[in-house]
Amino acid sequence: QVQLVQSGAEVKKPGSSVKVSCKASGDTLRGYSISWVRQAPGQGLESMGRIIPILGVTHYAQNFQGRVTMTADKSTNTAYMELSSLRPEDTAIYYCAKPNDDGYNYYWGQGTLVTVSS
Amino acid sequence: DIQMTQSPSTLSAYVGDRVTITCRASQSMNSWLAWYQQKPGKAPKLLIYKASTLESGVPSRFSGGGSGTEFTLTISSLQPDDFATYYCQEYNNFSPWTFGQGTKVEIK
Repeated sequence: QVQLVQSGAEVKKPGSSVKVSCKASGDTLRGYSISWVRQAPGQGLESMGRIIPILGVTHYAQNFQGRVTMTADKSTNTAYMELSSLRPEDTAIYYCAKPNDDGYNYYWGQGTLVTVSS
Repeated sequence: DIQMTQSPSTLSAYVGDRVTITCRASQSMNSWLAWYQQKPGKAPKLLIYKASTLESGVPSRFSGGGSGTEFTLTISSLQPDDFATYYCQEYNNFSPWTFGQGTKVEIK
């Protein structure tokens, strides 16, 4: 059974950075993209981008270019998403997601609430 | 990035109604599209992939269609459990896999 377990909730000051982790169990990160998606309170799903751990390739959404860094540690089956220059509108639940064998995101982490407030 | 535009943003319907949600892409993407259902406080659930393939365990009242730049999600007979928000998502190579803005299906 594949599970994605994310790190806990964070409270950050404007201008700071946050790093969220996503550990996969029951499977490895190899051969798949790990996506990061966020959802602000009462808003829709917003793709931040994805990383292909086996290649070290990233595809970032234009809205986050220059502010987001996605990495992966294949030895620990853990993916990371770091968002810098935080502002209050970055307050959201951040999810990681992993595809099933058909290549479409099927497994989701439990979400990490990031609150940005002075 | 590919832009995904869903319509309508909100849909009010009765139990038993047939409803259709449309998703338009800013560029052709063959059939690399999925549909998700999300309920409050939960992660999205995969319903349809490759534009028209029903995910295992998803009721057959859900169906997907389209290709190129226009796609649809149809619920043939709306059930109480179907009131939720639905999203399309593109799966092109070299893209960040963008979502549509969502369609909230409400009880009329």
